[in-house]
Amino acid sequence: EIVMTQSPATLSVSPGERATLSCRASQSVSSNLAWYQQKPGQAPRLLIYGASTRATGIPARFSGSGSGTEFTLTISSLQSEDFAVYYCQQYNNWPLYTFGQGTKLEIK
Amino acid sequence: QVQLQESGPGLVKPSGTLSLTCAVSGGSISSSNWWSWVRQPPGKGLEWIGEIYHSGSTNYNPSLKSRVTISVDKSKNQFSLKLSSVTAADTAVYYCARAGGYCSSTSCWNWFDPWGQGTLVTVSS
Repeated sequence: EIVMTQSPATLSVSPGERATLSCRASQSVSSNLAWYQQKPGQAPRLLIYGASTRATGIPARFSGSGSGTEFTLTISSLQSEDFAVYYCQQYNNWPLYTFGQGTKLEIK
Repeated sequence: QVQLQESGPGLVKPSGTLSLTCAVSGGSISSSNWWSWVRQPPGKGLEWIGEIYHSGSTNYNPSLKSRVTISVDKSKNQFSLKLSSVTAADTAVYYCARAGGYCSSTSCWNWFDPWGQGTLVTVSS
């Protein structure tokens, strides 16, 4: 099983600033990585797939990068609606998908 | 656009069987997609449970494989989850989701989009 580790567990950032979230895989997943945003009481929403491709309707301030075992989700200028929990997911090891434990992005 | 909606009992007794259904609207369950179940214990992260293709082919998380059955009903455009011998550790919000992505003849590369709203299932006597 590929273990996904996200850091930090909690990130405190002020609105308007940049946020950088990390995700590490226990072995290479190539570029087969997705990012999700989850707000309280809501289902996860797909943000990024293929490590760097934004899903339909996702604002350009969200960007993903990385390959192999190291990945980053960057939110360039935080808006109030961006404060949420973010999860990464690898899909290189079909048919066993695994998620990171999440990073909570909170208002500083 | 495709929408998914989970339904089923919100309370299950220990040692019983959890049964949920996911209704698909705005698209056909017979499309070239896998259909998955994912769960999230209160305050915790996401765990993939398993998936099904409209042909009936299934894949399960090895950690749950002995207790999980996923089935599809093409006539009703829905798929279902059964989890047997439940304990308090199975208390979670259960989501259904469509696997987007692509497959070759031997493998698939799938992310999840869209998701249903989720349904909380509590295991308690």
